[in-house]
Amino acid sequence: DTAVSQTPKYLVTQMGNDKSIKCEQNLGHDTMYWYKQDSKKFLKIMFSYNNKELIINETVPNRFSPKSPDKAHLNLHINSLELGDSAVYFCASSLGTNSPLHFGNGTRLTVT
Amino acid sequence: AQSVAQPEDQVNVAEGNPLTVKCTYSVSGNPYLFWYVQYPNRGLQFLLKYITGDNLVKGSYGFEAEFNKSQTSFHLKKPSALVSDSALYFCAVRDQGGGSYIPTFGRGTSLIVHP
Repeated sequence: DTAVSQTPKYLVTQMGNDKSIKCEQNLGHDTMYWYKQDSKKFLKIMFSYNNKELIINETVPNRFSPKSPDKAHLNLHINSLELGDSAVYFCASSLGTNSPLHFGNGTRLTVT
Repeated sequence: AQSVAQPEDQVNVAEGNPLTVKCTYSVSGNPYLFWYVQYPNRGLQFLLKYITGDNLVKGSYGFEAEFNKSQTSFHLKKPSALVSDSALYFCAVRDQGGGSYIPTFGRGTSLIVHP
């Protein structure tokens, strides 16, 4: 009964490739997020999607794009992968904007 | 703007002793404050939150946190640490009066509980 599930758990790919990470939540939440956790464990918000409003962290390269087919899904697509994209990517969701976030278990992306 | 600081990269404590993990915040309005725990190779798990009301907030696994408005702090505490509490702890803040609803996370504090 995973509440927030991400696939794949591990992703190893070469520079220049395009890849996607999928995220689904079965909690009935209306807000979803993508965070990037670097090697020092720092968490950086990338995107948030609430009621069809997308909020983008302006520091995120436009090679990254979120896609939300419905309220339960927020997928992350990455074009032209670079070495510096290697990190753990976490999807999260919340009910409204004042509730705690529920996180998936992360996708470890390694770009070689 | 909202920000949060966790001044200690690592906290070491002996099993059975009380533990404190520090967090200070900065917001323009009133804060929503959260603590999360991350175990290896897992996502963050919610521990407790402060929205309004009683300054002492009780959460999961015996953890509690004290909101101190004058010191702009929200330290995480536990009276008696367990080895299984060893993990990475994150404080997060959202400004109730701010324009963004997205919480800002601290850099994390690694808690090591020694047997």
